[in-house]
Amino acid sequence: DADVTQTPRNRITKTGKRIMLECSQTKGHDRMYWYRQDPGLGLRLIYYSFDVKDINKGEISDGYSVSRQAQAKFSLSLESAIPNQTALYFCATSDFSPGEQFFGPGTRLTVL
Amino acid sequence: KQEVTQIPAALSVPEGENLVLNCSFTDSAIYNLQWFRQDPGKGLTSLLLIQSSQREQTSGRLNASLDKSSGRSTLYIAASQPGDSATYLCAVTANWGKFQFGAGTQVVVTP
Repeated sequence: DADVTQTPRNRITKTGKRIMLECSQTKGHDRMYWYRQDPGLGLRLIYYSFDVKDINKGEISDGYSVSRQAQAKFSLSLESAIPNQTALYFCATSDFSPGEQFFGPGTRLTVL
Repeated sequence: KQEVTQIPAALSVPEGENLVLNCSFTDSAIYNLQWFRQDPGKGLTSLLLIQSSQREQTSGRLNASLDKSSGRSTLYIAASQPGDSATYLCAVTANWGKFQFGAGTQVVVTP
């Protein structure tokens, strides 16, 4: 089984809808991250969490929110989806040391 | 703010040639540097992690070097194969755990 899983893998939705992307990990890491990837823009950090009670904004948090339900679960929500949130979304985990990051398979989100 | 650059953006080589991929960063106060491989539409696979105290790491045909003082890392892939075709990304982190990614180098290995 994969160490970092994401659901759903693909989602098509309409402008204005609320969407939740979920991430689970079995690596036992405290640190979890949400990124989005757009062609030509690379990977950009949306939110990150260093433990269950710690949530931090990344570069591009506007329009997104997160919830860290447990050490193993980190969810990303789009409260009111808009077309420019169409992208590939990745969840990742890492430990403190040596700090190697492990990625989930990604969620392809399309907002019409 | 840390800036990470990968040049070239794309590279095509014949099978059997060695690949040399470059990553440069502007702030030398890094905690570690990680190289990833990404196949089209897929997730990122970790290739090598170099901690700030290390100069290089090796895994099979892959070797990555790190020169913090000059803000550079190089990924070498020996005897390239068509299966090495992918996008290669580097990422650096400071000790507070936030990663900054380069835009990647897209590699095509032709048979």
